[in-house]
Amino acid sequence: GESVGLHLPTLSVQEGDNSIINCAYSNSASDYFIWYKQESGKGPQFIIDIRSNMDKRQGQRVTVLLNKTVKHLSLQIAATQPGDSAVYFCAECLTGANSKLTFGKGITLSVRP
Amino acid sequence: EPEVTQTPSHQVTQMGQEVILRCVPISNHLYFYWYRQILGQKVEFLVSFYNNEISEKSEIFDDQFSVERPDGSNFTLKIRSTKLEDSAMYFCASRFLATNEKLFFGSGTQLSVL
Repeated sequence: GESVGLHLPTLSVQEGDNSIINCAYSNSASDYFIWYKQESGKGPQFIIDIRSNMDKRQGQRVTVLLNKTVKHLSLQIAATQPGDSAVYFCAECLTGANSKLTFGKGITLSVRP
Repeated sequence: EPEVTQTPSHQVTQMGQEVILRCVPISNHLYFYWYRQILGQKVEFLVSFYNNEISEKSEIFDDQFSVERPDGSNFTLKIRSTKLEDSAMYFCASRFLATNEKLFFGSGTQLSVL
């Protein structure tokens, strides 16, 4: 798999490979983070979240890693499938009375058959 | 799984006209949000709403925008006099708690201002 920063708009991976999508978040006080997947014409769909008291969390085929020291978040997708093709966004949140999510720039994941 | 529903899915309007975008959040949720996404760009926060009042709004959410929860189920975004630059996908979202709870998004309303 390849890892790219969100300043690059597209990540192309071979079906079956692992994908790594990286995100640099902006607010060191943020304590909750989410990865969303957005397919064409649809709203953001929750993938996985992580709280700031953790550095790793695993879901089904996905893993999120959090490095608070460098304000870095990554999403790893194991055995990437064509259905994983979408735009991926990281979002950060400072929990409190409002707790709005602030989204990062999206990256397009393209899976080659 | 319960979902946030938005209507209409597409809205075309003339510049200067008023539009109302409608949302039905998930029934037991307490916090409501509007976001927008200009084509090819990231999702931007517009406004949050709790206990029948705005709790936070962004710079985008100027006097031309308003939100309302007219009854126990609907949550609306009104743009009083639309501008060309209001053309975007508008997403409604809701969550049950404010703290560490994932935000559920609707499928969006594509607003095109001509």
